[in-house]
Amino acid sequence: AQTVTQSQPEMSVQEAETVTLSCTYDTSENNYYLFWYKQPPSRQMILVIRQEAYKQQNATENRFSVNFQKAAKSFSLKISDSQLGDTAMYFCAFMWGNQFYFGTGTSLTVIP
Amino acid sequence: DAGITQSPRHKVTETGTPVTLRCHQTENHRYMYWYRQDPGHGLRLIHYSYGVKDTDKGEVSDGYSVSRSKTEDFLLTLESATSSQTSVYFCAISEDSPNQPQHFGDGTRLSIL
Repeated sequence: AQTVTQSQPEMSVQEAETVTLSCTYDTSENNYYLFWYKQPPSRQMILVIRQEAYKQQNATENRFSVNFQKAAKSFSLKISDSQLGDTAMYFCAFMWGNQFYFGTGTSLTVIP
Repeated sequence: DAGITQSPRHKVTETGTPVTLRCHQTENHRYMYWYRQDPGHGLRLIHYSYGVKDTDKGEVSDGYSVSRSKTEDFLLTLESATSSQTSVYFCAISEDSPNQPQHFGDGTRLSIL
């Protein structure tokens, strides 16, 4: 079975600073996909970034980037130049065989 | 944005009553999912569907049933609601191809008194 662990229930960061959210997962599969989703207070689930396990290059999307360490089964999210609108719950997700497995989330607060 | 509509958006009901939540999509995606979201648990899969009349159980399926008679609609039913089923319920859809993410509806907040 696949499991996803987010060990930081809550984090905070000063506006304009950089913050890294951790995610680890456990799987015996080789070809899978990883995602970070953001859930602001509006409750919408918004895709932030995705990573294919067969790609060594880390994915980036504007201020968001990942550090994907396949051997360590680690998939952290780095947010640069944090903005007030980044305040949200962040969920790490693992996908294999059209099933998704989510972590318990990290609540990020950006402080003005 | 993916065309996913959940109804109702909010519902309050009493223990023992039947409840049906509806998820409607306009994307013609093959896969549809129902999750519940609770503090400290993240999103947990209740049931999912991989086609019309094709469904399977997820991690927390006890007390829930689903039906999918059309590609665009996926219904979640609580036959006899209990207070432990108070939660926020999310529907999601995804295409049948690798690396495609799930797209989520806006959620239904269900309170069972």
